[in-house]
Amino acid sequence: QQQVKQSPQSLIVQKGGISIINCAYENTAFDYFPWYQQFPGKGPALLIAIRPDVSEKKEGRFTISFNKSAKQFSLHIMDSQPGDSATYFCAASKWAPDKLIFGTGTRLQVFP
Amino acid sequence: ETGVTQTPRHLVMGMTNKKSLKCEQHLGHNAMYWYKQSAKKPLELMFVYSLEERVENNSVPSRFSPECPNSSHLFLHLHTLQPEDSALYLCASSQDGGNNEQFFGPGTRLTVL
Repeated sequence: QQQVKQSPQSLIVQKGGISIINCAYENTAFDYFPWYQQFPGKGPALLIAIRPDVSEKKEGRFTISFNKSAKQFSLHIMDSQPGDSATYFCAASKWAPDKLIFGTGTRLQVFP
Repeated sequence: ETGVTQTPRHLVMGMTNKKSLKCEQHLGHNAMYWYKQSAKKPLELMFVYSLEERVENNSVPSRFSPECPNSSHLFLHLHTLQPEDSALYLCASSQDGGNNEQFFGPGTRLTVL
């Protein structure tokens, strides 16, 4: 009930390509779904987040797609760049204050 | 200093040592968190403090002892740790009553020999 399942574990994409990372959750009480980006030697940083009242949110090259009925959400990185190479974590929670339940992470490598 | 800072950044300790990790947030938040990050595992929430009161203790062994003297500072006291406790320990802060955006520090890389 509390798990967030993330896939793939690792992803290799050519520069300019689209990176797609998927997450699934079970707890229908979750209403906040952020994505965090973590570079080596740094803590995770919030990249983009969505609430279940919308099906898509876009910020620059980053888009979250949300499917409430399937209990799935995904991160799309358009025109992927080598600087996007990092580990990405999806997460879910109820309204604050509440703990974030994190996925296991996806290591993205973008090659020139 | 801005954001969330953590000291030390790296720590090596023996199983019989006692050490403390320090976290400080400069964001005016009123909730603070300790997470453990191990390779190929989800970030594990350890403790949550809201308004300096501990509101979550996620079945963490007693060899980890948190302390929150005020809303800007959070400590994790360590004693008689095990090698499997070696991990990256992350501190985060957020503002209660808003969305759950948590701001993370850079972490302390702990190695237990």
